[in-house]
Amino acid sequence: DAGVIQSPRHEVTEMGQEVTLRCKPISGHNSLFWYRQTMMRGLELLIYFNNNVPIDDSGMPEDRFSAKMPNASFSTLKIQPSEPRDSAVYFCASSLTGGAANTEAFFGQGTRLTVV
Amino acid sequence: EDKVVQSPLSLVVHEGDTVTLNCSYEVTNFRSLLWYKQEKKAPTFLFMLTSSGIEKKSGRLSSILDKKELFSILNITATQTGDSAVYLCAVEGNYGQNFVFGPGTRLSVLP
Repeated sequence: DAGVIQSPRHEVTEMGQEVTLRCKPISGHNSLFWYRQTMMRGLELLIYFNNNVPIDDSGMPEDRFSAKMPNASFSTLKIQPSEPRDSAVYFCASSLTGGAANTEAFFGQGTRLTVV
Repeated sequence: EDKVVQSPLSLVVHEGDTVTLNCSYEVTNFRSLLWYKQEKKAPTFLFMLTSSGIEKKSGRLSSILDKKELFSILNITATQTGDSAVYLCAVEGNYGQNFVFGPGTRLSVLP
């Protein structure tokens, strides 16, 4: 398996524009996580899905952020409108949970977002 | 609210030194504790600990969990410059459906 795949790897956009980050989890994993990482705040959990259903979105900072998981192999994180303070590295991770054989979270390579 | 605290936040040592990184936690329905190493890109997995008192080892790295006192340590012996990274501790809670990360310990190993 190629691992968790995120796109784009880098995104530079102007304030006010819509940004969409994409993630393809590892096949067979049933949990998907979106994290944001900054120097100031470290790695913050934004939202996680289990079996395509959003379980906890309390980490989503504002209504400008939304996430979807239309099927088991794809998720998006959208920021509309974007602001400079949204600049960060956004990681997607997936894992297999439930039962006795939980796996660790496997991370994608991240999307470095810069909002100017 | 689930919480993970790590100490120290930053550490500078010389090659050959031994370091101990600390992680304490509060989590609902604890399932496991994980250690990750993050260099320039994505965190990479080191250990998953689920039982108290059982040491896990991988080369010069080892880790142990104390579920009574709610903490874990990560030891690195004979450090090398390639060990320089941020070491992240995470706990898996809530029936195994989320991972909460600590702020990390930034380790710098000088030649």
